[in-house]
Amino acid sequence: GQQVMQIPQYQHVQEGEDFTTYCNSSTTLSNIQWYKQRPGGHPVFLIQLVKSGEVKKQKRLTFQFGEAKKNSSLHITATQTTDVGTYFCAGLSGGSNYKLTFGKGTLLTVNP
Amino acid sequence: NAGVTQTPKFRILKIGQSMTLQCAQDMNHNYMYWYRQDPGMGLKLIYYSVGAGITDKGEVPNGYNVSRSTTEDFPLRLELAAPSQTSVYFCASSYPGREREQFFGPGTRLTVL
Repeated sequence: GQQVMQIPQYQHVQEGEDFTTYCNSSTTLSNIQWYKQRPGGHPVFLIQLVKSGEVKKQKRLTFQFGEAKKNSSLHITATQTTDVGTYFCAGLSGGSNYKLTFGKGTLLTVNP
Repeated sequence: NAGVTQTPKFRILKIGQSMTLQCAQDMNHNYMYWYRQDPGMGLKLIYYSVGAGITDKGEVPNGYNVSRSTTEDFPLRLELAAPSQTSVYFCASSYPGREREQFFGPGTRLTVL
């Protein structure tokens, strides 16, 4: 079945440093979604990418979808303590109607 | 709107006991989902539903059952609880369509001893 790999599993940074998490799928995706989960909380939707090569920005967050629609990345510029949490990518393959496949997530901790 | 609500927040079960995790949403979403989250393992889909009376299996359905008698409610039933079902359970909902964000409830933390 479809697999979505996400690296790194953990990332610890000093406040102000940049952070990137990468997501790779074993199959071509029709779209990819990114979620953030604060410690002890529930996943919250951040963004969705649909087009090949798409780049979207939300303030300090930049999301990319690969040309082959098999990989994606989330980059945070100048991290803040409010960025702490686990970031998940979730992919929808062409053959699946509604079943998102989640990566294992990247836990980001930020040292103030 | 309350969004997606789940009860209980925490529960401890003994091996072999049964229970129902409740999930409700007030956003008139047709699609609802149940996930389990184990430490470091991401979210795995247990069951999903595209409307009242329609349910289908996800990636890890064994040991669970669901029903969807109304648009608002999507309970998850655990029969004969096992330690392997110790996890955090999230219910989610979305509007119809393949490219719709999912809204998650606060979760139920279940421990089976």
